[in-house]
Parts: sequence; structure tokens; C-alpha cells
Amino acid sequence: SQKIEQNSEALNIQEGKTATLTCNYTNYSPAYLQWYRQDPGRGPVFLLLIRENEKEKRKERLKVTFDTTLKQSLFHITASQPADSATYLCALDISGGYNKLIFGAGTRLAVHP
Amino acid sequence: KAGVTQTPRYLIKTRGQQVTLSCSPISGHRSVSWYQQTPGQGLQFLFEYFSETQRNKGNFPGRFSGRQFSNSRSEMNVSTLELGDSALYLCASSPALEGTYGYTFGSGTRLTVV
Repeated sequence: SQKIEQNSEALNIQEGKTATLTCNYTNYSPAYLQWYRQDPGRGPVFLLLIRENEKEKRKERLKVTFDTTLKQSLFHITASQPADSATYLCALDISGGYNKLIFGAGTRLAVHP
Repeated sequence: KAGVTQTPRYLIKTRGQQVTLSCSPISGHRSVSWYQQTPGQGLQFLFEYFSETQRNKGNFPGRFSGRQFSNSRSEMNVSTLELGDSALYLCASSPALEGTYGYTFGSGTRLTVV
């Protein structure tokens, strides 16, 4: 069955550093992959989508890479700030584009001043 | 532009009862999906509707059902509630037939079954 793995441990970094989060998947070849941010008690917030034919995507301080050979996506936050502290989720569409996403368990990021 | 609205925000029900949750997507969004989120299982897909048709269903028992109306608003229903149904239920909408856009999630309905 399809499986998505994200760093299970919380990631603690110092303000100003770059945070790198990992998403690995098996048994599927998704057309695209999405990253979301979730704060406690709130719904996830969409950050970035990257397609299988795109190696890298950027948005402000965020960067996502997608390696379909390694079946891995990396999510980077540069110049991190305490306000970036949240849980970050990656998601794959497993329905061939019919909006059925499976989510990883998420990685909790804590940015310390 | 209004976001995805879910009602109610909190709900407490007794085992054996049934519950209906409501979701109003962003205006113009025709795809509505429902997810269950628990600490142990994370976010799990329940079902997705597009133009009043259920296109996908997750691995949940038949007690979980949903529907979408002509104005794209959606409801999900859980019958014969069990303690394990306690969770945050999230609704998400998308403008596209295919998931080439990110979802916009609501704040969720926190259901507690006692």
C-alpha cells in the first residue's frame, strides 16, 4: 500500500537558520506533491505544490524539491523565524488527479529565538 | 473572499447517536473533500465530491456518508457513533477537477463521543 514517511521527531533549529524537512514515499508515482502547514487546533494551510516534471519550486523563503527517482521531497525554510514553528505535512494524490490525497504524519518544527 | 466554513466548531455526542457536519466551500469551488484527523492516525481521507458526485471514498465503514448539494455545500453524516470516532473532521475545497491546485481547509469540527 502507499506509504508516506516524514521525520517523526520534532525539528528544533535556531532562528535565522535553514530548516530542511523530508518526505519519502513508496509504492506510488504521484503526478504531484503538496506541502501544508498546520497550527494546533487549525486546519492545514496550503504552501506549495510541485509536479513530477519539476525539480524545484520556490515561494518567498520556501523551497521544495522533488526527486521521483529517490521518491523523496525536501522542504526548506530559509532564514527561519519563530513564527514558522508549526507542523508541516506533505501530501500525495493517489487517485490520478481526482483529489484523493494521502498525508504524511507531519514534522513538528520549532524555531528558537 | 470568505474561506471554507465548517459548522459546528465543537460537538459532543453520546455513543450510538448520529451526527451531521456541514461544510461551505469557497465560492466557485466545486470539489469538496472530507478528512478525519486523530493523534494516532493523522489525516485520513474520507471522501471527495465534485458537482454532487462522489468520486472517491476512503477506507471507512459505511456509517460514514456524505453528500454535496447543487451549490457545492457538503454535509457528512456519521451514524451509530463510536468512541473511536472522536476526532477533528476537516473539510477542504478546491476549484479544480484535478488536484493541480492546493486545497483550502476549514478550521474543522471537533467531535467528541462520550
